[in-house]
Amino acid sequence: GENVEQHPSTLSVQEGDSAVIKCTYSDSASNYFPWYKQELGKRPQLIIDIRSNVGEKKDQRIAVTLNKTAKHFSLHITETQPEDSAVYFCAASKGGYQKVTFGTGTKLQVIP
Amino acid sequence: DVKVTQSSRYLVKRTGEKVFLECVQDMDHENMFWYRQDPGLGLRLIYFSYDVKMKEKGDIPEGYSVSREKKERFSLILESASTNQTSMYLCASSPLGQGAMNTIYFGEGSWLTVV
Repeated sequence: GENVEQHPSTLSVQEGDSAVIKCTYSDSASNYFPWYKQELGKRPQLIIDIRSNVGEKKDQRIAVTLNKTAKHFSLHITETQPEDSAVYFCAASKGGYQKVTFGTGTKLQVIP
Repeated sequence: DVKVTQSSRYLVKRTGEKVFLECVQDMDHENMFWYRQDPGLGLRLIYFSYDVKMKEKGDIPEGYSVSREKKERFSLILESASTNQTSMYLCASSPLGQGAMNTIYFGEGSWLTVV
């Protein structure tokens, strides 16, 4: 089955700096790669996603890149703010009836 | 607004008890999931279902079973609870679709402590 690895497990950045979280996946048939943010005590929520026919997607301060050949994808957060502090999960899926496999999470701390 | 509701937020059960965790979604989603969340291990899939009465094992199904008698309801059952099942359990649902149609909507989670 699919295996998703995520690094780093924890990340501390100064407010205003950029943060990058990286994930790799094992199943070349996976075609959908979402990122979820889980604030302390809350449910995970989708923040951005990318499909396999797209190399990069941006939404304000967050962006995701996908390298299908290398089977890895990354989340980039620019101009970090304290409210970006949370646990971030990457995931991979083949869509349709298929299950979604998550990475182990990255705890991001933005230091004011 | 999609709602995934888990009926119990906090439970304390004794070893050997049978435990039911209930989940209801109101968006007519085909897919439903049960995940377990543990520090350092992320979100691990226990079971999922893509239709009524259908179920598929996830990555850690041992010690668990599920029931989906109605489209909107997906139950997780611990036949005989053990202390290593102390965890946060997250129910989720998603529409059937390809690619970006698979946004997963999570419930607020059920904290289960087995003593």
